[in-house]
Amino acid sequence: GESVGLHLPTLSVQEGDNSIINCAYSNSASDYFIWYKQESGKGPQFIIDIRSNMDKRQGQRVTVLLNKTVKHLSLQIAATQPGDSAVYFCAEILITSGTYKYIFGTGTRLKVLA
Amino acid sequence: KAGVTQTPRYLIKTRGQQVTLSCSPISGHRSVSWYQQTPGQGLQFLFEYFSETQRNKGNFPGRFSGRQFSNSRSEMNVSTLELGDSALYLCASSLDRGPSEAFFGQGTRLTVV
Repeated sequence: GESVGLHLPTLSVQEGDNSIINCAYSNSASDYFIWYKQESGKGPQFIIDIRSNMDKRQGQRVTVLLNKTVKHLSLQIAATQPGDSAVYFCAEILITSGTYKYIFGTGTRLKVLA
Repeated sequence: KAGVTQTPRYLIKTRGQQVTLSCSPISGHRSVSWYQQTPGQGLQFLFEYFSETQRNKGNFPGRFSGRQFSNSRSEMNVSTLELGDSALYLCASSLDRGPSEAFFGQGTRLTVV
Protein backbone atom coordinates (compact mmCIF):
# COMPACT_ATOMS: atom_id res chain seq x y z
CA GLY A 1 0.00 0.00 0.00
CA GLU A 2 0.99 3.62 0.02
CA SER A 3 3.53 4.57 2.60
CA VAL A 4 5.94 7.23 3.65
CA GLY A 5 8.91 5.97 5.57
CA LEU A 6 12.20 7.05 7.03
CA HIS A 7 15.48 5.25 6.49
CA LEU A 8 16.99 5.96 9.91
CA PRO A 9 15.05 5.91 13.16
CA THR A 10 17.80 7.74 15.08
CA LEU A 11 20.44 10.11 13.82
CA SER A 12 23.24 11.42 16.04
CA VAL A 13 25.09 14.49 14.83
CA GLN A 14 27.86 16.56 16.30
CA GLU A 15 26.92 20.13 17.12
CA GLY A 16 27.89 22.40 14.24
CA ASP A 17 27.77 19.65 11.64
CA ASN A 18 25.12 19.38 8.98
CA SER A 19 22.26 16.90 9.37
CA ILE A 20 20.48 15.05 6.64
CA ILE A 21 17.20 13.31 7.36
CA ASN A 22 15.69 11.14 4.67
CA CYS A 23 12.22 10.08 3.70
CA ALA A 24 11.00 7.68 1.04
CA TYR A 25 7.54 7.90 -0.42
CA SER A 26 5.69 5.49 -2.62
CA ASN A 27 3.02 7.57 -4.36
CA SER A 28 4.50 9.27 -7.39
CA ALA A 29 1.30 11.31 -7.77
CA SER A 30 1.73 13.11 -4.45
CA ASP A 31 1.52 16.84 -4.91
CA TYR A 32 2.98 18.31 -1.80
CA PHE A 33 5.43 17.43 0.94
CA ILE A 34 6.00 18.88 4.38
CA TRP A 35 8.67 18.39 7.02
CA TYR A 36 7.74 18.69 10.68
CA LYS A 37 9.76 18.90 13.86
CA GLN A 38 8.36 17.57 17.10
CA GLU A 39 10.02 18.20 20.43
CA SER A 40 9.22 16.13 23.45
CA GLY A 41 5.86 17.04 24.96
CA LYS A 42 4.96 19.40 22.15
CA GLY A 43 2.90 19.24 19.02
CA PRO A 44 4.55 19.07 15.59
CA GLN A 45 6.00 22.26 14.18
CA PHE A 46 5.94 23.04 10.48
CA ILE A 47 9.48 23.45 9.14
CA ILE A 48 9.31 23.67 5.39
CA ASP A 49 7.22 22.48 2.49
CA ILE A 50 7.81 21.74 -1.16
CA ARG A 51 5.52 21.21 -4.10
CA SER A 52 5.99 18.32 -6.48
CA ASN A 53 6.94 20.64 -9.34
CA MET A 54 10.03 21.75 -7.42
CA ASP A 55 13.21 19.86 -6.59
CA LYS A 56 14.69 22.14 -3.97
CA ARG A 57 13.54 24.71 -1.51
CA GLN A 58 15.53 26.60 1.10
CA GLY A 59 14.53 28.09 4.38
CA GLN A 60 16.43 29.40 7.33
CA ARG A 61 19.23 26.84 7.90
CA VAL A 62 17.09 24.15 6.26
CA THR A 63 16.88 22.83 2.74
CA VAL A 64 14.45 20.29 1.40
CA LEU A 65 15.36 18.25 -1.65
CA LEU A 66 12.85 16.31 -3.68
CA ASN A 67 13.98 13.58 -6.06
CA LYS A 68 10.92 12.38 -7.90
CA THR A 69 12.88 9.86 -9.93
CA VAL A 70 13.57 7.75 -6.88
CA LYS A 71 10.70 9.12 -4.78
CA HIS A 72 12.95 10.47 -2.11
CA LEU A 73 12.70 13.51 0.10
CA SER A 74 15.42 14.87 2.35
CA LEU A 75 15.76 17.58 4.95
CA GLN A 76 19.13 19.18 5.40
CA ILE A 77 19.85 21.19 8.52
CA ALA A 78 22.94 23.36 8.39
CA ALA A 79 25.14 23.90 11.45
CA THR A 80 23.04 21.70 13.68
CA GLN A 81 22.38 23.14 17.13
CA PRO A 82 21.28 21.52 20.41
CA GLY A 83 17.85 23.06 19.91
CA ASP A 84 17.47 21.00 16.77
CA SER A 85 17.21 17.82 18.82
CA ALA A 86 13.75 16.46 18.15
CA VAL A 87 11.82 13.95 16.07
CA TYR A 88 11.51 14.93 12.44
CA PHE A 89 8.94 13.45 10.13
CA CYS A 90 7.77 14.02 6.63
CA ALA A 91 4.27 14.19 5.26
CA GLU A 92 3.07 13.40 1.79
CA ILE A 93 -0.13 14.99 0.52
CA LEU A 94 -2.10 13.78 -2.46
CA ILE A 95 -4.62 16.27 -3.80
CA THR A 96 -7.53 14.77 -5.71
CA SER A 97 -10.59 16.76 -6.76
CA GLY A 98 -10.11 19.23 -3.98
CA THR A 99 -9.66 16.65 -1.27
CA TYR A 100 -6.41 16.01 0.50
CA LYS A 101 -4.95 12.68 1.55
CA TYR A 102 -2.22 12.94 4.17
CA ILE A 103 0.37 10.23 4.78
CA PHE A 104 2.91 10.78 7.51
CA GLY A 105 6.25 9.14 8.06
CA THR A 106 7.00 7.54 11.40
CA GLY A 107 9.79 9.93 12.26
CA THR A 108 13.55 10.12 12.80
CA ARG A 109 14.97 11.17 16.12
CA LEU A 110 17.80 13.66 15.74
CA LYS A 111 20.25 13.81 18.63
CA VAL A 112 22.74 16.64 18.68
CA LEU A 113 25.94 15.82 20.50
CA ALA A 114 27.77 18.62 22.27
CA LYS B 1 -0.93 36.17 19.70
CA ALA B 2 -2.17 33.05 21.46
CA GLY B 3 -1.36 29.71 19.92
CA VAL B 4 -3.60 26.73 19.37
CA THR B 5 -5.20 25.67 22.63
CA GLN B 6 -6.40 22.17 23.28
CA THR B 7 -8.37 21.06 26.30
CA PRO B 8 -8.12 19.01 28.32
CA ARG B 9 -4.41 18.13 28.26
CA TYR B 10 -4.91 14.72 29.79
CA LEU B 11 -7.92 12.46 29.97
CA ILE B 12 -8.60 8.97 31.24
CA LYS B 13 -11.73 7.20 30.07
CA THR B 14 -13.16 3.73 30.36
CA ARG B 15 -13.78 1.45 27.42
CA GLY B 16 -17.24 2.05 25.98
CA GLN B 17 -17.47 5.65 27.10
CA GLN B 18 -17.44 8.62 24.79
CA VAL B 19 -15.17 11.65 24.88
CA THR B 20 -15.17 15.18 23.53
CA LEU B 21 -11.97 17.11 22.93
CA SER B 22 -11.80 20.82 22.28
CA CYS B 23 -9.55 22.96 20.11
CA SER B 24 -9.34 26.74 19.91
CA PRO B 25 -7.43 27.84 16.82
CA ILE B 26 -5.22 30.85 16.42
CA SER B 27 -7.31 33.97 16.02
CA GLY B 28 -8.16 34.50 12.36
CA HIS B 29 -7.48 30.92 11.33
CA ARG B 30 -10.46 29.29 9.69
CA SER B 31 -9.15 25.79 9.12
CA VAL B 32 -8.86 23.24 11.91
CA SER B 33 -7.50 19.74 11.43
CA TRP B 34 -7.38 16.84 13.83
CA TYR B 35 -4.77 14.10 14.05
CA GLN B 36 -4.16 10.98 16.08
CA GLN B 37 -0.61 10.16 17.12
CA THR B 38 0.43 6.79 18.52
CA PRO B 39 3.85 5.15 18.90
CA GLY B 40 2.86 2.34 16.58
CA GLN B 41 1.06 4.21 13.80
CA GLY B 42 2.68 7.61 14.03
CA LEU B 43 0.65 10.62 13.04
CA GLN B 44 -2.59 9.99 11.21
CA PHE B 45 -4.99 12.54 9.76
CA LEU B 46 -8.52 12.42 11.13
CA PHE B 47 -10.39 15.28 9.47
CA GLU B 48 -10.28 18.93 8.52
CA TYR B 49 -12.93 21.58 9.07
CA PHE B 50 -13.15 24.87 7.25
CA SER B 51 -15.94 27.38 7.72
CA GLU B 52 -17.93 24.92 9.82
CA THR B 53 -17.86 22.22 7.13
CA GLN B 54 -15.83 19.04 7.05
CA ARG B 55 -13.61 19.36 3.99
CA ASN B 56 -11.38 16.33 4.29
CA LYS B 57 -11.59 13.07 6.13
CA GLY B 58 -9.02 10.43 6.93
CA ASN B 59 -9.51 6.71 7.15
CA PHE B 60 -11.08 6.39 10.59
CA PRO B 61 -14.34 4.70 11.63
CA GLY B 62 -17.54 6.63 12.14
CA ARG B 63 -16.98 6.58 15.90
CA PHE B 64 -14.70 9.53 15.29
CA SER B 65 -16.57 12.72 14.48
CA GLY B 66 -16.08 16.40 14.78
CA ARG B 67 -17.58 19.78 14.26
CA GLN B 68 -16.56 23.38 13.93
CA PHE B 69 -18.36 26.38 15.31
CA SER B 70 -18.85 29.80 13.78
CA ASN B 71 -15.94 31.16 15.80
CA SER B 72 -13.73 28.43 14.24
CA ARG B 73 -13.39 26.55 17.51
CA SER B 74 -13.62 22.83 16.94
CA GLU B 75 -14.51 19.73 18.88
CA MET B 76 -13.91 16.12 18.13
CA ASN B 77 -15.86 13.28 19.61
CA VAL B 78 -15.04 9.62 19.94
CA SER B 79 -17.87 7.32 20.88
CA THR B 80 -17.71 3.79 22.24
CA LEU B 81 -14.08 4.11 23.19
CA GLU B 82 -11.73 1.20 22.59
CA LEU B 83 -8.37 0.53 24.19
CA GLY B 84 -6.73 1.23 20.84
CA ASP B 85 -8.05 4.78 20.88
CA SER B 86 -5.46 5.65 23.50
CA ALA B 87 -3.33 8.25 21.80
CA LEU B 88 -2.25 11.85 21.62
CA TYR B 89 -4.89 13.81 19.74
CA LEU B 90 -3.53 16.87 18.03
CA CYS B 91 -5.31 19.81 16.56
CA ALA B 92 -3.78 22.20 14.04
CA SER B 93 -5.06 25.47 12.67
CA SER B 94 -4.21 27.38 9.52
CA LEU B 95 -5.48 30.39 7.67
CA ASP B 96 -6.83 28.47 4.72
CA ARG B 97 -7.98 24.97 4.00
CA GLY B 98 -5.74 22.26 2.66
CA PRO B 99 -2.01 21.72 3.12
CA SER B 100 -0.32 24.86 4.23
CA GLU B 101 1.62 26.12 7.20
CA ALA B 102 -0.37 24.76 10.10
CA PHE B 103 0.19 25.43 13.77
CA PHE B 104 -0.31 22.58 16.17
CA GLY B 105 -1.53 22.58 19.73
CA GLN B 106 0.16 20.54 22.43
CA GLY B 107 -2.45 17.83 22.15
CA THR B 108 -4.77 15.93 24.44
CA ARG B 109 -3.39 12.70 25.83
CA LEU B 110 -6.27 10.23 25.97
CA THR B 111 -5.89 7.00 27.87
CA VAL B 112 -8.60 4.39 27.59
CA VAL B 113 -8.64 1.78 30.34
